[in-house]
Amino acid sequence: QQQVKQSPQSLIVQKGGISIINCAYENTAFDYFPWYQQFPGKGPALLIAIRPDVSEKKEGRFTISFNKSAKQFSLHIMDSQPGDSATYFCAASITGNEKLTFGTGTRLTIIP
Amino acid sequence: NAGVMQNPRHLVRRRGQEARLRCSPMKGHSHVYWYRQLPEEGLKFMVYLQKENIIDESGMPKERFSAEFPKEGPSILRIQQVVRGDSAAYFCASSPSRATNEKLFFGSGTQLSVL
Repeated sequence: QQQVKQSPQSLIVQKGGISIINCAYENTAFDYFPWYQQFPGKGPALLIAIRPDVSEKKEGRFTISFNKSAKQFSLHIMDSQPGDSATYFCAASITGNEKLTFGTGTRLTIIP
Repeated sequence: NAGVMQNPRHLVRRRGQEARLRCSPMKGHSHVYWYRQLPEEGLKFMVYLQKENIIDESGMPKERFSAEFPKEGPSILRIQQVVRGDSAAYFCASSPSRATNEKLFFGSGTQLSVL
């Protein structure tokens, strides 16, 4: 049973545009929602994370929007740059349980 | 301050052989996690270990797979009698303590190819 569904599978955005990746979860016990960025041949690296006590978190060009009632959260990348081209994974976990449940990933390509 | 070190980066095995994957956590980290990533899929949790203890192995296949994190030395993920379906990228992550996902760091992974 896939507990975190991620879309789209791939995304092409023009330089300077906004990249939006969406995730939906099923387990209402999840209380930590990170986004990871992965470049080819590398491990995932934590990009930004949110807890359900806030609806939005912004760090530089990266913003997470969180909708608790809909059980959805999304990553917005403003002013997308070619260096943002990577695979992005959403994930979820429960405090006290260290397992991360990952989405299936979105391959983002930023074109000039 | 070195990050999470995994070796080898690439490992090729023939069906029926054993694969041993090593993970050295970041300095000061005593909690290790193993994840498996199949092509075009997200990472799947396998096992969580502390020094000399397996805390959660709910994601480990029941047969052929084992993991350890000895008092001295790296954590080892061992796959016996490998099959083609074991071909995947295996990632190790470490954290300084329990329930600190904000301080979870991943290694660059070991790509296992089974011929």
